[in-house]
Amino acid sequence: QKEVEQDPGPLSVPEGAIVSLNCTYSNSAFQYFMWYRQYSRKGPELLMYTYSSGNKEDGRFTAQVDKSSKYISLFIRDSQPSDSATYLCAASRNQGGKLIFGQGTELSVKP
Amino acid sequence: DAGVIQSPRHEVTEMGQEVTLRCKPISGHDYLFWYRQTMMRGLELLIYFNNNVPIDDSGMPEDRFSAKMPNASFSTLKIQPSEPRDSAVYFCASSRSLSLGYTFGSGTRLTVV
Repeated sequence: QKEVEQDPGPLSVPEGAIVSLNCTYSNSAFQYFMWYRQYSRKGPELLMYTYSSGNKEDGRFTAQVDKSSKYISLFIRDSQPSDSATYLCAASRNQGGKLIFGQGTELSVKP
Repeated sequence: DAGVIQSPRHEVTEMGQEVTLRCKPISGHDYLFWYRQTMMRGLELLIYFNNNVPIDDSGMPEDRFSAKMPNASFSTLKIQPSEPRDSAVYFCASSRSLSLGYTFGSGTRLTVV
């Protein structure tokens, strides 16, 4: 079992839709949670960063962490075609922990 | 800041040949990571360095793979001999902290025929 699990999709939504991307993790020592966005033939880029449980909002993006259920979510409001990319969740421990990535979910936003 | 710079962008080589991938991390970043990405396995950590010292190479597939970081501004990942199953996109990333976000390079797409 991978430490961070993510449905690879693909996920296709119409422009303007609310997108929900989810991951689960197995290591209760994980304290730091991130979402990366990867466009085709590019390296992943950091999108959102959260520490421990709670919500974090940045424009149209909201990241949620529920440590009790070991669940990580990313919500995209008013999705745009430019949001079409692969989204990777990642987690690490508080000290000495490597960043472990999920498989990535491929998102396509249709105009 | 030019970001993390990787070379070459693409590499096509024949099975059995030696392949060397190169990476220049962001100045001031103490951590350097080598990842491999495939459709089947996703993004896998191969090895990471802290202050030029290899810390964890448990992800290196086998002895055919080796990585070095002779100084703070340069690292190499070498595969010798290469095999078709090594075909993947290899990413280098750097960071100021093990737990904070990493900055990735654009990757090297390796094809072994």
